[in-house]
Amino acid sequence: AQSVTQLGSHVSVSEGALVLLRCNYSSSVPPYLFWYVQYPNQGLQLLLKYTSAATLVKGINGFEAEFKKSETSFHLTKPSAHMSDAAEYFCAVSGDNDMRFGAGTRLTVKP
Amino acid sequence: DTGVSQNPRHKITKRGQNVTFRCDPISEHNRLYWYRQTLGQGPEFLTYFQNEAQLEKSRLLSDRFSAERPKGSFSTLEIQRTEQGDSAMYLCASSLEIGAGVETQYFGPGTRLLVL
Repeated sequence: AQSVTQLGSHVSVSEGALVLLRCNYSSSVPPYLFWYVQYPNQGLQLLLKYTSAATLVKGINGFEAEFKKSETSFHLTKPSAHMSDAAEYFCAVSGDNDMRFGAGTRLTVKP
Repeated sequence: DTGVSQNPRHKITKRGQNVTFRCDPISEHNRLYWYRQTLGQGPEFLTYFQNEAQLEKSRLLSDRFSAERPKGSFSTLEIQRTEQGDSAMYLCASSLEIGAGVETQYFGPGTRLLVL
């Protein structure tokens, strides 16, 4: 079985500051990991995915995430936050015909 | 538009009424999922289909909920005798396998249900 824990339901950063959204997973099989973004009043969009190739994964809009097996983590980062990054971010783990989502982290970007 | 579509986008109903939602997946995707999302929470898995077969149903899903995918294409989700606690966003996703036993999902815009 898989599960995901997103640390921090709300994260607030200043425009231009580093964004770090934390995700830890539990999986009984080698995991595939995803980050999704949900902008206000819109559906979920895939931001990036880890599929056992490179451990550092680059996604859209300047986001990237690093898979760290020893820490069972898949944290999402962006060097410089933009106002348009304000959204809800969901981490998800997939494998063994199952896919589970975290509870989400709401990112607020202050001018 | 070749993405996942859902209808209706919004539904307001009175407690006790039945409602039905429709999802049209991406045409080449053989898996279709239903999720429910309430405010401030991540998506909650409800059920999924591989082609027309319903392979898994969440144990959290009451018997008032039923889903079908009769021809392996579009799917319907019906809620009978709606309750106020059913108010949520109902999301549909179709998926493409990207590795052995692993897939990535493409979500529809959702149907927002409000039960008065």
